[in-house]
Amino acid sequence: EAGVAQSPRYKIIEKRQSVAFWCNPISGHATLYWYQQILGQGPKLLIQFQNNGVVDDSQLPKDRFSAERLKGVDSTLKIQPAKLEDSAVYLCASRPSFRTGEAFFGQGTRLTVV
Amino acid sequence: EDKVVQSPLSLVVHEGDTVTLNCSYEVTNFRSLLWYKQEKKAPTFLFMLTSSGIEKKSGRLSSILDKKELFSILNITATQTGDSAIYLCAVGPAYGGATNKLIFGTGTLLAVQP
Repeated sequence: EAGVAQSPRYKIIEKRQSVAFWCNPISGHATLYWYQQILGQGPKLLIQFQNNGVVDDSQLPKDRFSAERLKGVDSTLKIQPAKLEDSAVYLCASRPSFRTGEAFFGQGTRLTVV
Repeated sequence: EDKVVQSPLSLVVHEGDTVTLNCSYEVTNFRSLLWYKQEKKAPTFLFMLTSSGIEKKSGRLSSILDKKELFSILNITATQTGDSAIYLCAVGPAYGGATNKLIFGTGTLLAVQP
């Protein structure tokens, strides 16, 4: 079974620039999460999708962050404009909602904003 | 507000030592507690606990949940340098349920010295 795929692995941008991350979940997984993990902290949920619908985006800074999951498969997360404090690893995870409880994570994208 | 707290924040031990990592939680609608190991970027699943007092075991790792006192412990016996990682605790879904998000603690950084 292929895992959760994310790209790019690394990204360095200047503040005020835009950036987009891509995630392809495990086939058949209806639930998809985007997490932000700042160095030294645990992952913080940004947004959760169930198929192509948003279930929870209460912690997504909507003035600069946006995410979509068209067709209920892969997803993109965008930051526009980026701030220095957005430097973090962005983790995507997926879960088969109606079978097991654990989520499977991708390798993440390490974003550095300079 | 849902909260997951892990202790200690970091721990340095020598090979062969036994360690105990702690996770306490305050959440509404608790369903399960999950432990993950994060070595580089992607957290990898270790255990999911849903019932009090039932130990889950995998090799040198074991974990147990106390739903009355709202905590879990992760034990690692005969530690090896390969156990060095961040251990994350999360509260999340059990079986089924589309709206259950995973809430993570800050993690415990374990360093095993040879």
